[in-house]
Amino acid sequence: DGGITQSPKYLFRKEGQNVTLSCEQNLNHDAMYWYRQDPGQGLRLIYYSQIVNDFQKGDIAEGYSVSREKKESFPLTVTSAQKNPTAFYLCASSNQGSGNTIYFGEGSWLTVV
Amino acid sequence: GENVEQHPSTLSVQEGDSAVIKCTYSDSASNYFPWYKQELGKRPQLIIDIRSNVGEKKDQRIAVTLNKTAKHFSLHITETQPEDSAVYFCAASKGSGAGSYQLTFGKGTKLSVIP
Repeated sequence: DGGITQSPKYLFRKEGQNVTLSCEQNLNHDAMYWYRQDPGQGLRLIYYSQIVNDFQKGDIAEGYSVSREKKESFPLTVTSAQKNPTAFYLCASSNQGSGNTIYFGEGSWLTVV
Repeated sequence: GENVEQHPSTLSVQEGDSAVIKCTYSDSASNYFPWYKQELGKRPQLIIDIRSNVGEKKDQRIAVTLNKTAKHFSLHITETQPEDSAVYFCAASKGSGAGSYQLTFGKGTKLSVIP
């Protein structure tokens, strides 16, 4: 678990701004994921990446973008097109598909002000 | 796509009693079912998982059962302790092949263990 680092832990965004959440892992995992968590809700998949330079949309990709230029890094940009971005964002990684254990980072709280 | 329903949404038990949380899933191709525990403001942590080739798995006070025919699986916690208080999430995925990267979560169960 300690091998996934998210930053910042708390972030405030003004309306109309793009913000980028950082996620770095040193577990040598091929797959990385971004989930969004709202109060009283489960975790919803935003984007995932199986290998470097490849990523796929999850269930709620609209208003978000990602890149996977390095194996250990999978940053998430919350764009101004995301109308309700206030949430807890969790980055995760796994060795090979969801059939192997997914490990989560500590999360980033994003609030729109 | 996969849909996971989790019940109950909240559960209160006396310390020492057992707690049971149930989940159903919709995709018969799903074959990997993990359970996560999340304490307030912290990351979810895997506590137990089960694959479709077994019907039950135990780890000390925690057990998970799987009924593939009925497409449901359950988490059982025995001899509950106050530190078991948290939100528990079930999840499902295909485990391999197309769609295996999409782990679908239930909405969570808030367990409160009363001393």
